[in-house]
Amino acid sequence: NAGVTQTPKFQVLKTGQSMTLQCAQDMNHEYMSWYRQDPGMGLRLIHYSVGAGITDQGEVPNGYNVSRSTTEDFPLRLLSAAPSQTSVYFCATYEGGANVLTFGAGSRLTVL
Amino acid sequence: QKEVEQDPGPLSVPEGAIVSLNCTYSNSAFQYFMWYRQYSRKGPELLMYTYSSGNKEDGRFTAQVDKSSKYISLFIRDSQPSDSATYLCAMRRTSYDKVIFGPGTSLSVIP
Repeated sequence: NAGVTQTPKFQVLKTGQSMTLQCAQDMNHEYMSWYRQDPGMGLRLIHYSVGAGITDQGEVPNGYNVSRSTTEDFPLRLLSAAPSQTSVYFCATYEGGANVLTFGAGSRLTVL
Repeated sequence: QKEVEQDPGPLSVPEGAIVSLNCTYSNSAFQYFMWYRQYSRKGPELLMYTYSSGNKEDGRFTAQVDKSSKYISLFIRDSQPSDSATYLCAMRRTSYDKVIFGPGTSLSVIP
């Protein structure tokens, strides 16, 4: 039981490049979400999903795309990376009705 | 204005002190309230959760919710150096809803 697995752990991109941050969970949780964490800003919600085929925007969705084709996976896509997207990204999941968000270990992204 | 506000600190207290951490929010529909603790370079971990108004105690930690004032608090008694971390409040409207976090308060407990 791996919980929530995020890959890659570290990534350096150049402005304009695209990439996908992967999030996979083996707990059969319905809810999955992506946050970014910047100094002094706490965790800001990017996108979230309450089940396969259902996604919705969070507080800071611009510049990011998501899809949820399976219960297990919730990838976050940066189509054209910008320096403002330099951040630590966390994937978090919970089982519907539960109060505990389970976090991945984080992905540290630097955009030059 | 963010939906959830929190004094970012940093807060520095001597070992053994009582610590009070607070959040205010603007959305009266929030019903589920949580406190997460995050150590440096780690993911957040759940510390306490409360549904609706009232108090909840767990060891040295007490969570309070005042929905009429849109104000929640976390009290830490007999603070320890191991309590040094960032504390994030979080909340949501229903048990299946998105979770919104405050900016976090950085706490240092000095031996």
